Amino acid sequence: DQQVKQNSPSLSVQEGRISILNCDYTNSMFDYFLWYKKYPAEGPTFLISISSIKDKNEDGRFTVFLNKSAKHLSLHIVPSQPGDSAVYFCAAKSMDSSYKLIFGSGTRLLVRP
Amino acid sequence: NAGVMQNPRHLVRRRGQEARLRCSPMKGHSHVYWYRQLPEEGLKFMVYLQKENIIDESGMPKERFSAEFPKEGPSILRIQQVVRGDSAAYFCASSSRSYEQYFGPGTRLTVT
Repeated sequence: DQQVKQNSPSLSVQEGRISILNCDYTNSMFDYFLWYKKYPAEGPTFLISISSIKDKNEDGRFTVFLNKSAKHLSLHIVPSQPGDSAVYFCAAKSMDSSYKLIFGSGTRLLVRP
Repeated sequence: NAGVMQNPRHLVRRRGQEARLRCSPMKGHSHVYWYRQLPEEGLKFMVYLQKENIIDESGMPKERFSAEFPKEGPSILRIQQVVRGDSAAYFCASSSRSYEQYFGPGTRLTVT
């Protein structure tokens, strides 16, 4: 039962262009969403988050959009840089738990120079 | 301020042996979480501990797996009588606030 889905296993983008990573969820109890970036042989690194009471959160080149009615969120990276090449995980927290994160399967982003 | 530390980074065990994975949380963090990542999958929650207490072990397999976070020292994830299906990357995370979790580099367990 996959409550958080990242349907694109990989994405390739030209340097300088926008990267859009998508995430869908099924549980309407989710109230907080996070994006993590992971390089090979390292642990996930927190990138940006959004509460379910908002529809947008921006931090530098990274913006997360939340569409609650569609149960969909997306991470926009603009402009994309080669150093952004990594696996990106979407994660969600349910309002009936203060700690348990449910992760998607990840999207591998390649930014071509 | 050191991040979350995990050791060993790589661990090879033969079937039937025991695996012990250690995690030292970030300074000031009293919440520890263990996650497992199988190849081509996302991280799956295993257990949540605070000092000397297991808060939620709903993601732990019922047998062979145990976790502790003693008053002194690191948190330990212990897998007894390992099988090939236990081969995975095991990540520890810590937090002061429950949902802002910071991850360690992981331990990659290989069972031969």
